[in-house]
Amino acid sequence: DADVTQTPRNRITKTGKRIMLECSQTKGHDRMYWYRQDPGLGLRLIYYSFDVKDINKGEISDGYSVSRQAQAKFSLSLESAIPNQTALYFCATSDSGLAGATGELFFGEGSRLTVL
Amino acid sequence: RKEVEQDPGPFNVPEGATVAFNCTYSNSASQSFFWYRQDCRKEPKLLMSVYSSGNEDGRFTAQLNRASQYISLLIRDSKLSDSATYLCVVNSYTGGFKTIFGAGTRLFVKA
Repeated sequence: DADVTQTPRNRITKTGKRIMLECSQTKGHDRMYWYRQDPGLGLRLIYYSFDVKDINKGEISDGYSVSRQAQAKFSLSLESAIPNQTALYFCATSDSGLAGATGELFFGEGSRLTVL
Repeated sequence: RKEVEQDPGPFNVPEGATVAFNCTYSNSASQSFFWYRQDCRKEPKLLMSVYSSGNEDGRFTAQLNRASQYISLLIRDSKLSDSATYLCVVNSYTGGFKTIFGAGTRLFVKA
C-alpha cells in the first residue's frame, strides 16, 4: 500500500460544484502539503500544515480551503470549482525538519481534476 | 523572473550519452536543494539532495554553487529508463517556509 494515499484519483465535475480531495498518510510525518501541477508551470503550493492545528497559505490559495483533521489526514476543498482549477493535484508529506531530517517530500499518486 | 529556472528542454539523447541539467535560483537565502524525478503521469520522487561539496550516486552527480546560485545534475551513461522529467527544488525558510519547484526538464533517452 502507498504511504501517501489520495482520493479520488480522477474526478470530472462541473463549474460551481464543491469538490473535496482527501489525503491520508502512514509515514507518521507532521508536515503535509497540497500542490497543483500545470503543464509548463511546475508544482505550486496551495496550502501546507506543520501540525494538526497549523494551517498556512501557499502561493496560490485563493479558491481553495483545507482541513487537517488528524496528523494523518489533510483534505483540500474547492468550494465552487471553476475551469482554471483543472489540474493535477498532489498531496505530500515531509518530516519535521529536526536534526537528521532530510526535508524530502513524499508525494501521493495525484488526483486529476477536470472542471467543465 | 521565476524563482527557480530550469533549461526548458526537452533533451533528446542516445543511450550512453552524458546529459547535464542546469538550474538557477533567485533567493540567496535558500537553504536546501534537491533534484526530483517525475515519470509521465506519476508523482515526483526524490532523486538526490544537493550539497555544497557536491554529491554522487552511481551515474548521477549533483553540484551546488551558492555564489552563482546555480545547481546542476549530471547523468552519465544514460539509460532508456532515465527518460523522465527532472525537477529542481529549492527550500528557503526566510519569512516563512517556502519550497519552490522548477518547471522541470524533460529527458528522452533513445536506443
